[in-house]
Amino acid sequence: DIQMTQSPASLSASLGETVTIECRASEDIYSNLAWYQQKPGNSPQLLIYDANSLADGVPSRFSGSGSGTQYSLKINSLQSEDVASYFCQQYNNYPYTFGAGTKLELK
Amino acid sequence: EVQLVESGGGLVQPGRSLKLSCVASGFTFSNYGMNWIRQAPGKGLEWVAYISSGSSYIYYAETVKGRFTISRDNAKNTLYLQMTSLRSEDTALYYCARHGSYYYDGPDWFAYWGQGTLVTVSS
Repeated sequence: DIQMTQSPASLSASLGETVTIECRASEDIYSNLAWYQQKPGNSPQLLIYDANSLADGVPSRFSGSGSGTQYSLKINSLQSEDVASYFCQQYNNYPYTFGAGTKLELK
Repeated sequence: EVQLVESGGGLVQPGRSLKLSCVASGFTFSNYGMNWIRQAPGKGLEWVAYISSGSSYIYYAETVKGRFTISRDNAKNTLYLQMTSLRSEDTALYYCARHGSYYYDGPDWFAYWGQGTLVTVSS
């Protein structure tokens, strides 16, 4: 199985700040990577697919990048509504696997 | 508007069975691969099972293989998860999720998620 190592586990940032979350795969996943946002009490929502494609309706302050085994999610100009947990997921192979998540809080 | 509505969760004793359903609307259900994904309380996400649009391809996580069965009824726009020999470690919120790509049976991202149905396995 492909292991997804996500960092940091938690993150505290100020409004307007830029934050970056990293995800490392245990083997090359050829950009078959998605990012999801999960707000407290809600189901996950797709942010990014194919490593860098923005899902419909997602604000442009979210962006994804990376290739091979290293990927990142960047949030520019942090807003209060961005407080959530973020998960990466590889879909290069079954079984699909997720990173352990990053909990983003406001400082 | 795409909607996925899960049901069938509840409290069940270890070793017993439970069947979850997910009713889909707002898209052509028969054209998309579907999945079950679970999240234990306060924990991360674990993919459980996948079924292709026409049920030709089915995959399971090793943790549920041989105990869970995914199926679908395209005429009823409904996805199912039959769970048997339930264990305490199966306690979780179970989400159904639709693949992103139209009429594609390969691995894909999860474009839409339901709100989940809670399964609690306890004596």
